[in-house]
Amino acid sequence: AQKVTQAQTEISVVEKEDVTLDCVYETRDTTYYLFWYKQPPSGELVFLIRRNSFDEQNEISGRYSWNFQKSTSSFNFTITASQVVDSAVYFCALSYRDDKIIFGKGTRLHILP
Amino acid sequence: DAGVIQSPRHEVTEMGQEVTLRCKPISGHDYLFWYRQTMMRGLELLIYFNNNVPIDDSGMPEDRFSAKMPNASFSTLKIQPSEPRDSAVYFCASSLDSTWQSMVDTGELFFGEGSRLTVL
Repeated sequence: AQKVTQAQTEISVVEKEDVTLDCVYETRDTTYYLFWYKQPPSGELVFLIRRNSFDEQNEISGRYSWNFQKSTSSFNFTITASQVVDSAVYFCALSYRDDKIIFGKGTRLHILP
Repeated sequence: DAGVIQSPRHEVTEMGQEVTLRCKPISGHDYLFWYRQTMMRGLELLIYFNNNVPIDDSGMPEDRFSAKMPNASFSTLKIQPSEPRDSAVYFCASSLDSTWQSMVDTGELFFGEGSRLTVL
């Protein structure tokens, strides 16, 4: 079965701290894509990254970084020097075999000033 | 450029009434998705279209739900009759190319702001 698990339901950190959001996925397919989306309080989901299963290189974009490890079926997301504007719900997602994208249940992140 | 446009933003209705949610995808996007978001179940894919043709509707909860895409710029999700358990935020999303196959595009889904449905 295909599944995305975000075990952290809610996280609170103080501004400027680093925070890592965990994502564990399950799939029998060898070819798949992984995604992260951000849902700010306004409600609209915003795309952050797509990574295919053959590319295990870590990705860095500004304060954001992603660590993909096939050995542990994880695709974790780290925010460095967090800011209040990073407060949102973050979703990890998996696409396999076709265009169906299944989402994890999300992690609500609170950045406290 | 206009993003994905959904209407209504909020809908409150009584059990048994028909509900129609509307979506205008980004012009030129070939794929359109309908998702439902609830606290209990998170984001669930209901149905998606490619070039106006429904490809997979296995996520549609039951026969009370139906979706159409009569042309490239418009889609509807209809619930008839509505029930309190249908209360959720319904999102429409579109993508330029296949999220799976695209090698040149990011495979990004562009989401609308959602339609919050409350069935009393």
